Amino acid sequence: EDKVVQSPLSLVVHEGDTVTLNCSYEVTNFRSLLWYKQEKKAPTFLFMLTSSGIEKKSGRLSSILDKKELFSILNITATQTGDSAIYLCAAPHTGTASKLTFGTGTRLQVML
Amino acid sequence: ETGVTQSPTHLIKTRGQQVTLRCSSQSGHNTVSWYQQALGQGPQFIFQYYREEENGRGNFPPRFSGLQFPNYSSELNVNALELDDSALYLCASSLELAQETQYFGPGTRLLVL
Repeated sequence: EDKVVQSPLSLVVHEGDTVTLNCSYEVTNFRSLLWYKQEKKAPTFLFMLTSSGIEKKSGRLSSILDKKELFSILNITATQTGDSAIYLCAAPHTGTASKLTFGTGTRLQVML
Repeated sequence: ETGVTQSPTHLIKTRGQQVTLRCSSQSGHNTVSWYQQALGQGPQFIFQYYREEENGRGNFPPRFSGLQFPNYSSELNVNALELDDSALYLCASSLELAQETQYFGPGTRLLVL
């Protein structure tokens, strides 16, 4: 059974701090890893990673995948209060790519 | 381009009742998946519909059932509600079955008393 584990479960930082969120996975026939941000209800798509060692960036957010060690990290630099959210990591199912297995998420709170 | 929409936004039911939740997929998307997200947990896959046929199911009992219509909108039905069914129900659509990137609706928060 596919498994995705995220750490830490929660994190409280101050504005301006840099944070690193972790995601490890055990997936048969790995295809990709996805990161989502969930602020109130709808998770919104951040990144999809397929190749090891290639960093994806979007503004202050970046993510990288290590296929050998089976993990990914999401970095947020110069955090802002608007970054407060739950960050979810997910892996597509082997047989059906659009079925996702999610981790429990990391709840990030950014304080002033 | 219209995003994924869900209705209702909130719902309160009592144990034993039945509920129907609705989802309109993003324009052009033919695959709809439903997820249950309990408090403090990540979304759990319930089932998926592709071109009106169920295409995969998670570890949920048969009292969770669904439907997809020709316009690719979808319904999730839950019979004989239990307290543990209280959760946020998310609908996600993707352009094709083989596409990992899914776009989520705002969810329906269900409370079972």
